Amino acid sequence: QQQVKQSPQSLIVQKGGISIINCAYENTAFDYFPWYQQFPGKGPALLIAIRPDVSEKKEGRFTISFNKSAKQFSLHIMDSQPGDSATYFCAASIGGSEKLVFGKGTKLTVNP
Amino acid sequence: NAGVTQTPKFQVLKTGQSMTLQCAQDMNHNSMYWYRQDPGMGLRLIYYSASEGTTDKGEVPNGYNVSRLNKREFSLRLESAAPSQTSVYFCASTPRTGIHREQYFGPGTRLTVT
Repeated sequence: QQQVKQSPQSLIVQKGGISIINCAYENTAFDYFPWYQQFPGKGPALLIAIRPDVSEKKEGRFTISFNKSAKQFSLHIMDSQPGDSATYFCAASIGGSEKLVFGKGTKLTVNP
Repeated sequence: NAGVTQTPKFQVLKTGQSMTLQCAQDMNHNSMYWYRQDPGMGLRLIYYSASEGTTDKGEVPNGYNVSRLNKREFSLRLESAAPSQTSVYFCASTPRTGIHREQYFGPGTRLTVT
């Protein structure tokens, strides 16, 4: 019930392409879905987040798509750049909870 | 404003040795967290503290103890290190309790137990 399943484990995309990372959850009490970006040797940092009352949120080249009925959400990176190469984590939490449940991560490589 | 700082950056321990990982934040945040990151396992919560003087177990607390020394500092102690505790440890903080807020992560401590 507390799991967030993330796929794929790794992804290689050419510069200018679209990167898509998917996450699925079971617990319908989750009401906050952030994505974190982590560069090698650094701590994760919040990239973008969504609540289930909207189906999509866009910030620059990064978009979260949310499908409440399917209990899935995804991160789309448009016009992917080599500087986007990092590990991406989806996460979820329940309102009032201190805790985030993280997916296992996707290592994205964008080739020049 | 340094954000979340962690010491040390790297540490090698022998099985059975003890050590304390230090974390401090200068953002006046209420909540603080300790995670471990292992390849293919994502970030797993060890312990967290919603406020000064309170601590609670996360997903993987066995073999660890924590102390919320004051509002700024949250330490993680390994009493008797085991090779299974080889990992990268991250401390994080967030400004409010009970409300979804961004977690700010430190740079991590890479621990190897031989």
